[in-house]
Amino acid sequence: QQQVKQSPQSLIVQKGGISIINCAYENTAFDYFPWYQQFPGKGPALLIAIRPDVSEKKEGRFTISFNKSAKQFSLHIMDSQPGDSATYFCAAGLGGGATNKLIFGTGTLLAVQP
Amino acid sequence: DTAVSQTPKYLVTQMGNDKSIKCEQNLGHDTMYWYKQDSKKFLKIMFSYNNKELIINETVPNRFSPKSPDKAHLNLHINSLELGDSAVYFCASSQGRGDNEQFFGPGTRLTVL
Repeated sequence: QQQVKQSPQSLIVQKGGISIINCAYENTAFDYFPWYQQFPGKGPALLIAIRPDVSEKKEGRFTISFNKSAKQFSLHIMDSQPGDSATYFCAAGLGGGATNKLIFGTGTLLAVQP
Repeated sequence: DTAVSQTPKYLVTQMGNDKSIKCEQNLGHDTMYWYKQDSKKFLKIMFSYNNKELIINETVPNRFSPKSPDKAHLNLHINSLELGDSAVYFCASSQGRGDNEQFFGPGTRLTVL
């Protein structure tokens, strides 16, 4: 019940295309859903996050879509660029809980071809 | 102006040895974490400290012992290293216990031979 399932494992997109990464969770108590971006040799960095009281959040070319009833959320990268090539992790957490534990998905390696 | 720093960046050692990884954050955060990222890039929380108090302790072998001398530092000591301990270890920090952004360090790549 603590798992966060992420797909696909890897993704190749042409420059200018749309990259879509999907995640699903089981624990309905989760109320915080961030996406982290990790470049090779670096630590993960927060990209964008959403709470379940909204169905969509957009920041620049990055959009999270959230479906509470389906317990699914996804990251859309519009106009994908070679600089977006990285590993993307979705995560779920309990924002108001006693701890700030994040459960991470298994990661998606995105390659944007020029 | 590194926000979260770790030392060393690389650590190569023999099975059975004891080693430590140090972490420091200059963000003024009160919560720090240790994560393990395995060869398949799976990222898993190991420990979390809030104001020097242990608040998350996942099912990690007791060969791993975190120590937080103050809010800005969280060290990880590993006894009797095993081959399976080879991974990248990330330190992170955040402010508070809620859903605030976690800032990750650059990682320490541990290789056990």
